[in-house]
Amino acid sequence: GQNIDQPTEMTATEGAIVQINCTYQTSGFNGLFWYQQHAGEAPTFLSYNVLDGLEEKGRFSSFLSRSKGYSYLLLKELQMKDSASYLCAVMDSNYQLIWGAGTKLIIKP
Amino acid sequence: SQTIHQWPATLVQPVGSPLSLECTVEGTSNPNLYWYRQAAGRGLQLLFYSVGIGQISSEVPQNLSASRPQDRQFILSSKKLLLSDSGFYLCAWSTGGSGANVLTFGAGSRLTVL
Repeated sequence: GQNIDQPTEMTATEGAIVQINCTYQTSGFNGLFWYQQHAGEAPTFLSYNVLDGLEEKGRFSSFLSRSKGYSYLLLKELQMKDSASYLCAVMDSNYQLIWGAGTKLIIKP
Repeated sequence: SQTIHQWPATLVQPVGSPLSLECTVEGTSNPNLYWYRQAAGRGLQLLFYSVGIGQISSEVPQNLSASRPQDRQFILSSKKLLLSDSGFYLCAWSTGGSGANVLTFGAGSRLTVL
């Protein structure tokens, strides 16, 4: 079967760095997405990786290793507004998105 | 710019009553449209997707149905709601065609079935 694993919850301190991991097992691979979802709101797109390596966008970076079936989202200089759930999703060989359950990130002052 | 509207935002319905959630997209043509359900602690579950008017693909057999009467309108319906239909429903769109296209979500509809 197809599976996406990410930690259920993480806690970090304002101003610090946090890394959210995602491992996947899917039928084929056409890219990996990260979305941010604040409580009670819709997910919003953060990043897309299809080739191995690191993609940087301001305070957020996303890394992919296809051979290991692994990605991480790195958040630097954490702010209170970064408190949200972070969803990992993989597009399989049929271009269908397989979603992880999300990681709830709690930022403490 | 493109926008997506979804309503109602909140709905409380008795078991056995009908349901209609509506989603419209503006500023684009021939989008791919999606209905997802999100349950607490679980990943987004794709319910239906559509690549064109009248073209609906169902991913999960259940008592829900979807229709696309116009290019940028997507409707989720049920004739008789079940308790298990409670959840957070999200409409989304992406550019038409195949490929790894980014999804843009509506604000969501929270349905409580009592």
